[in-house]
Amino acid sequence: QLQLQESGPGLVKPSETLSLTCTVSGGSISSSSYYWGWIRQPPGKGLEWIGSIYYSGSTYYNPSLKSRVTISVDTSKNQFSLKLSSVTAADTAVYYCARQGIAVAGTTDDYWGQGTLVTVSS
Amino acid sequence: DIVMTQTPLSLSVTPGQPASISCKSSQSLLHSDGKTYLYWYLQKPGQSPQLLIYEVSSRFSGVPDRFSGSGSGTDFTLKISRVEAEDVGVYYCMQGIHLRRTFGQGTKVEIK
Repeated sequence: QLQLQESGPGLVKPSETLSLTCTVSGGSISSSSYYWGWIRQPPGKGLEWIGSIYYSGSTYYNPSLKSRVTISVDTSKNQFSLKLSSVTAADTAVYYCARQGIAVAGTTDDYWGQGTLVTVSS
Repeated sequence: DIVMTQTPLSLSVTPGQPASISCKSSQSLLHSDGKTYLYWYLQKPGQSPQLLIYEVSSRFSGVPDRFSGSGSGTDFTLKISRVEAEDVGVYYCMQGIHLRRTFGQGTKVEIK
């Protein structure tokens, strides 16, 4: 069964860059049928899609975060990563990675990681 | 981007009774391939969201048949035929027609 696991620092200082990695096991990140995405959830609030990446490196970002977000992929390690620059307290959230389906491929957004809490504080 | 609007935002249900959640999208979710890309997720307390329904009405593997989805175009509904204690949590709809995903605000379901 596919598993996704987020990893990275749980505490980031304001104005610095948040960096997280998602490791995929039980399946290949190089599948032509999926994108790989990041979603976040501030404490007590709803879900916000951040962006996603294809194994080839093609990316889509949330317009509200686009200027600060970079998502990259390392197919040799079966991992993809998130960088969010110039963070503020408003970026404090649980960050999830997930497998994102592609309409024309007939696939669905099915598996999510357990999530990792990142707190922005000095 | 597509805006997803859920109602109600909270729901208190007696066990064994039905429950219904509405989700409306600002644009049609009908793809040129003939499928409609509307998902429903349940986030149980302290857990990550889990897929319940995809393509409006298809139940994901292992999802009980008391969960059903319906709708078309821009109007969708999730129904729970008989709510059980394990169904508490926050339900989200999400559009999957665009790679830039957007979620509804969430509907919190509690047991009376």
